[in-house]
Amino acid sequence: EAGVTQFPSHSVIEKGQTVTLRCDPISGHDNLYWYRRVMGKEIKFLLHFVKESKQDESGMPNNRFLAERTGGTYSTLKVQPAELEDSGVYFCASSQAWTTPLHFGNGTRLTVT
Amino acid sequence: DAKTTQPPSMDCAEGRAANLPCNHSTISGNEYVYWYRQIHSQGPQYIIHGLKNNETNEMASLIITEDRKSSTLILPHATLRDTAVYYCIVRVVVTGGGNKLTFGTGTQLKVEL
Repeated sequence: EAGVTQFPSHSVIEKGQTVTLRCDPISGHDNLYWYRRVMGKEIKFLLHFVKESKQDESGMPNNRFLAERTGGTYSTLKVQPAELEDSGVYFCASSQAWTTPLHFGNGTRLTVT
Repeated sequence: DAKTTQPPSMDCAEGRAANLPCNHSTISGNEYVYWYRQIHSQGPQYIIHGLKNNETNEMASLIITEDRKSSTLILPHATLRDTAVYYCIVRVVVTGGGNKLTFGTGTQLKVEL
């Protein structure tokens, strides 16, 4: 089965611009998560979708970040406007059920200049 | 979630068993022990998890002490491809409850010839 796929793998944008990251979970996985690692820090939770509903968005850093999962399939994470401190690797993960292991994609490396 | 403590780095000879320790002395009764690893430039990869009993799968074995305050991940025959950062994570797994993975700094395992 195909794993979690993320697009793009790399993105370089200027401060103030907008970027949209996409995540396609494993087929049939209702639970979708976003995590990120910013420079020199640990991997941190951003939010959790169950189907199209946001279950937990306590890790979202501020209102410049908007995550959507229309239709309960793929998800997008938009950063608008991007700031220098948003640089890092953004990971998406999915799980079949609430209690099953998370499976991660290879991430999108975002560089804001 | 309970905090975990891991050594920052370990070395292992190829073909030998790699034993990665983890302390989680404040673990609660409903918290599972999860192990993930991150190979350079890839997303975190699920390895194994357990609650009380020892577990084994095709990748590794997990040994949890009787008091559950520590555990050991065992890679029985380490190869160069097992070089990665290994994360020990305790996770409450309750449907409808919190579902975050809290990553620490992990153990950098280096497998050498």
